[in-house]
Amino acid sequence: KAGVTQTPRYLIKTRGQQVTLSCSPISGHRSVSWYQQTPGQGLQFLFEYFSETQRNKGNFPGRFSGRQFSNSRSEMNVSTLELGDSALYLCASSWTGASNQPQHFGDGTRLSIL
Amino acid sequence: GQQVMQIPQYQHVQEGEDFTTYCNSSTTLSNIQWYKQRPGGHPVFLIQLVKSGEVKKQKRLTFQFGEAKKNSSLHITATQTTDVGTYFCAGGYDYKLSFGAGTTVTVRA
Repeated sequence: KAGVTQTPRYLIKTRGQQVTLSCSPISGHRSVSWYQQTPGQGLQFLFEYFSETQRNKGNFPGRFSGRQFSNSRSEMNVSTLELGDSALYLCASSWTGASNQPQHFGDGTRLSIL
Repeated sequence: GQQVMQIPQYQHVQEGEDFTTYCNSSTTLSNIQWYKQRPGGHPVFLIQLVKSGEVKKQKRLTFQFGEAKKNSSLHITATQTTDVGTYFCAGGYDYKLSFGAGTTVTVRA
């Protein structure tokens, strides 16, 4: 069974640009969550999608947005990039997103802002 | 902000020694999960605790859920170099999962 796939693995952008990251969940998983990971800050929750609907949202500015498609694949978009957006962005999937289900993480997209 | 606090942030351990990392929540949790992230890798699910006072073991790792379901601990005995990484706890509440900041473990051979 294929795991969670995130593309691209690495990305370099400049301030002011926008970026789109992609996540394909494990087959059958309908919940996709996005996290931002920076050194010393742990995993900061961005948002969670289930059945193409954003169900939960973390405390991030509106420049961070996402969507989910009918096949459960998800994309995350960051507009007007800032230096502080440099981070590892992780996507995780689970069957329904219930808090008692394990999250299966992808390898992440490492975003560097110059 | 995060609902789950994890201490210590860093743990430097001599190989063969034991150590414990702690997870605390201000609210009662429905469950708690533990993950391990190796350097350069992604978090991998280790275990879930659901019942008050529950204790589970995985070889040298012992996980405990507090009686009030507000705290948890991970105890590792006889630390090995393979234990290097960051350990995260994640508390479930209000149908959400909140991750702690993690404890990063380094091992001195």
